[in-house]
Amino acid sequence: RKEVEQDPGPFNVPEGATVAFNCTYSNSASQSFFWYRQDCRKEPKLLMSVYSSGNEDGRFTAQLNRASQYISLLIRDSKLSDSATYLCVVTGGAAGNKLTFGGGTRVLVKP
Amino acid sequence: NAGVMQNPRHLVRRRGQEARLRCSPMKGHSHVYWYRQLPEEGLKFMVYLQKENIIDESGMPKERFSAEFPKEGPSILRIQQVVRGDSAAYFCASSLRQGFDGELFFGEGSRLTVL
Repeated sequence: RKEVEQDPGPFNVPEGATVAFNCTYSNSASQSFFWYRQDCRKEPKLLMSVYSSGNEDGRFTAQLNRASQYISLLIRDSKLSDSATYLCVVTGGAAGNKLTFGGGTRVLVKP
Repeated sequence: NAGVMQNPRHLVRRRGQEARLRCSPMKGHSHVYWYRQLPEEGLKFMVYLQKENIIDESGMPKERFSAEFPKEGPSILRIQQVVRGDSAAYFCASSLRQGFDGELFFGEGSRLTVL
């Protein structure tokens, strides 16, 4: 079983719609969780951290479910510029100091 | 205010040759990470280094791959006797401290093509 698993997609989303997707992690000792965004053939960039209580940043909402070992990302009012691959990232526990990336979920927002 | 600088951006090698990828972290950052991304796949951790020390190389293949981060100069990822399967994008990232706050700053990557 992979340490961090994501549905690769693509999720085809009409502009203005809401899209949500999850990421599961295998190590219950994982401590910190993040969403990164990667545009085609570009470097990943931090989108947001994921806090235990859930957190929101504009149109983006991230949640953590430790009992079921998954995190989620919800994008409201999707924009064309939201088209990208969203990478789930986990650190701590057995991973130690390194960030462990999921394979990414590809989102395509269409007019 | 330069970010993480990687070079070369693109590198073509024939099987059996050596590839050297360089990474200069952001100013003031002493933690460097190397990741590999195969086409249509996620990033795979390779190695984590601090100045003059390899902290975690659990993702490095046992043979042909090595990394260093000398006291002076960039971090270098070295691949000896390259094979076609080494073709990938190699991303370097740096952080101010151990990455528990999640903020790794990535370079634009070095894309290696092995013919």
